[in-house]
Amino acid sequence: QQKVQQSPESLIVPEGGMASLNCTSSDRNVDYFWWYRQHSGKSPKMLMSIFSNGEKEEGRFTVHLNKASLHTSLHIRDSQPSDSALYLCAASIGPSGSWQLIFGSGTQLTVMP
Amino acid sequence: GPKVLQIPSHQIIDMGQMVTLNCDPVSNHLYFYWYKQILGQQMEFLVNFYNGKVMEKSKLFKDQFSVERPDGSYFTLKIQPTALEDSAVYFCASSSAGQDTQYFGPGTRLLVL
Repeated sequence: QQKVQQSPESLIVPEGGMASLNCTSSDRNVDYFWWYRQHSGKSPKMLMSIFSNGEKEEGRFTVHLNKASLHTSLHIRDSQPSDSALYLCAASIGPSGSWQLIFGSGTQLTVMP
Repeated sequence: GPKVLQIPSHQIIDMGQMVTLNCDPVSNHLYFYWYKQILGQQMEFLVNFYNGKVMEKSKLFKDQFSVERPDGSYFTLKIQPTALEDSAVYFCASSSAGQDTQYFGPGTRLLVL
């Protein structure tokens, strides 16, 4: 059973639109959630992290976390074709854990010009 | 941003041979990680390393795998002997502290024939 589940598997939005991605962990020991973006053939790059209940905004990106349900979501407003990539949600446990990232399968986002 | 380097970028070897993957982490980082990504599949944690020791390894980290970081040199992943199922992209990551962002290298694409 996967510990980090992401939905949807793929998402197509028009340029300028809003993209909403979801992620849930089944491990109640998770402390931190991370959102990484991975362009095809490249390495993952961290977009945002969150560990407290609530919302965090950086530019066009907003991340939400509900710790009770272990659900996080990433919202991208004014989506651009360059945002087209695989978005990976990851969870980590620490300091009682070892800080390894447990990744979901990702959401493939396509932004249509 | 901080850069992690990996050498080589590609490696093709025959099954049963030994291979060493090299990682040059961000200079002041203390935590080091290896992840494995098979084409089209999920990124999976292999092992992490801190203060000269393995902190945790996953079930993917077989007995044929080993890691080390001799003082001031590369953080290495050695596979001896290799198997066909070891074909994947191996990403190295580093962070300054356990709860901090893990920065990923560009990956080594390993093909075992």
